[in-house]
Amino acid sequence: GAVVSQHPSRVICKSGTSVKIECRSLDFQATTMFWYRQFPKQSLMLMATSNEGSKATYEQGVEKDKFLINHASLTLSTLTVTSAHPEDSSFYICSASPTDGYTFGSGTRLTVV
Amino acid sequence: GENVEQHPSTLSVQEGDSAVIKCTYSDSASNYFPWYKQELGKGPQLIIDIRSNVGEKKDQRIAVTLNKTAKHFSLHITETQPEDSAVYFCAARAGANNLFFGTGTRLTVIP
Repeated sequence: GAVVSQHPSRVICKSGTSVKIECRSLDFQATTMFWYRQFPKQSLMLMATSNEGSKATYEQGVEKDKFLINHASLTLSTLTVTSAHPEDSSFYICSASPTDGYTFGSGTRLTVV
Repeated sequence: GENVEQHPSTLSVQEGDSAVIKCTYSDSASNYFPWYKQELGKGPQLIIDIRSNVGEKKDQRIAVTLNKTAKHFSLHITETQPEDSAVYFCAARAGANNLFFGTGTRLTVIP
């Protein structure tokens, strides 16, 4: 079946630094990818929709200058958390839709210290 | 926009018993309803989905029912096993729109 690979699985960074998370579709092309954020014991909240070759669409309340999204190819989307702060610590998950359903990456646990 | 509610938030069952998780949605245009299983520290995994043109779908021990009139859908797991313990999320989507997730149900299967 369709596989979405997400890296890294865990990252710890210092406050003020930037962190890049990669999301790859391994066996299909994804013109659109989705980025979610999940706080402990909560549901997935859509942050933005990543569109290949064009600007990402951000959900209301998500700072586009803080969460930079690049979708430069049909198989790779990246999320960069810029100037990270402890409140950015969360579980970030990407997904893509190879057919009618959605396939999710394994998630990235970001801890900002 | 779509609003998906999910109940219960936690559910404990004895191994071998059945588990039922229910969701309601608000957008009558929603036509795709997947269910995901999420284990600790991992991304959601699709376990079953149903489209609005059918009322029930079954895959071994897992079944999903959909009532379009009442705008609710349910996940049924029979003969539960300890490895079924996880958080389950329902979701709904209207057309080409994004997925809207329920709040999740933490299922614990007691051996």
